[in-house]
Amino acid sequence: LAKTTQPISMDSYEGQEVNITCSHNNIATNDYITWYQQFPSQGPRFIIQGYKTKVTNEVASLFIPADRKSSTLSLPRVSLSDTAVYYCLVVDFSGGYNKLIFGAGTRLAVHP
Amino acid sequence: ETGVTQTPRHLVMGMTNKKSLKCEQHLGHNAMYWYKQSAKKPLELMFVYSLEERVENNSVPSRFSPECPNSSHLFLHLHTLQPEDSALYLCASSQTGNQGRYGYTFGSGTRLTVV
Repeated sequence: LAKTTQPISMDSYEGQEVNITCSHNNIATNDYITWYQQFPSQGPRFIIQGYKTKVTNEVASLFIPADRKSSTLSLPRVSLSDTAVYYCLVVDFSGGYNKLIFGAGTRLAVHP
Repeated sequence: ETGVTQTPRHLVMGMTNKKSLKCEQHLGHNAMYWYKQSAKKPLELMFVYSLEERVENNSVPSRFSPECPNSSHLFLHLHTLQPEDSALYLCASSQTGNQGRYGYTFGSGTRLTVV
């Protein structure tokens, strides 16, 4: 399973764009890059996923360079409610069941 | 509501008690998972069920006993727990294989306190 490295914590202010970068140097050909968000005392929530280049949805954008050894989650104009832990994972969906192995994540604090 | 429902939301139990955590999903998924999240620690994968068969048991003590009677229900039976077992227990479900690309869905968890 590819290991990911991301900052332990980040601070931002309301209305700013936040970019969280994740390193996954040992990513394999079949691996997808997946991001989850977790609020205190709740289960993680799927945010976005991609394989290469750029993916955008109503919540975030995900930028993946050609070598796929890193990825950047971009949250546009954050609000206080975006304060959460953000997890970057790489997952191989080509087999049977898929298991998500979570690291420590990035604790994002958004300030007024 | 995420489509994965866990009950109870909170549970306090003594070390000699027996209790069960319940998880139910109505998403048509065919894989279910138990995770443990202790304070200030990453989520730890405990058990994986795929097509109602247990496929992973990540060195979990025998005082935790999972059960998956069908693809929609998952239980975690607890007995003679220790105070260090106090944690948030999370259930998740997904599709197997390539359909898993649509992500896991987690429940809101059961906050367990062992006294």
